[in-house]
Amino acid sequence: DTAVSQTPKYLVTQMGNDKSIKCEQNLGHDTMYWYKQDSKKFLKIMFSYNNKELIINETVPNRFSPKSPDKAHLNLHINSLELGDSAVYFCASSQEGGPRVLHFGNGTRLTVT
Amino acid sequence: GENVEQHPSTLSVQEGDSAVIKCTYSDSASNYFPWYKQELGKGPQLIIDIRSNVGEKKDQRIAVTLNKTAKHFSLHITETQPEDSAVYFCAASLYNFNKFYFGSGTKLNVKP
Repeated sequence: DTAVSQTPKYLVTQMGNDKSIKCEQNLGHDTMYWYKQDSKKFLKIMFSYNNKELIINETVPNRFSPKSPDKAHLNLHINSLELGDSAVYFCASSQEGGPRVLHFGNGTRLTVT
Repeated sequence: GENVEQHPSTLSVQEGDSAVIKCTYSDSASNYFPWYKQELGKGPQLIIDIRSNVGEKKDQRIAVTLNKTAKHFSLHITETQPEDSAVYFCAASLYNFNKFYFGSGTKLNVKP
């Protein structure tokens, strides 16, 4: 059973389009995240939700909108895609209390042409 | 905010040798330092972590050391094996806090 699963694995689209990435975790964790990994492998947090409530919202263009319908799901919708949005997007989850051990999904490679 | 720097960006070692990856952080309030390993096509996975009240922690072939005064911490891998080849990330955060600052990653290549 995959603990954190995200779909799709690959996403190729044209500039200006709108796309969504879905994430689900079956670990019973309270907190979920979206991270962006650029071409140089740098990992940067974008958003974090705790029990469906947004708790971290980094400096991300408002074309990116996360949505958490319940604590097991966190989706990422991107409007008006730009070339610079090309990256690998990782969903992760962690449990409250103690050190936050991040459990990552396997990523969604987004390519904007 | 916190700034984490990681060196080297690439590291190539012969199988059986040791590998050391170093990180520095800027915020003295950071007190939790995990290391993640990212294999090709996968998400990062926690391999070891250390809290600021401890100077060293070991788990089989891997160890992490922390120097709070100098604000640096290191990952040590002994007796490297080809399956250790991956990208390694250090990170810093506040314990019991959701925000992590990651280093830029080290690509480790272990040559058989």
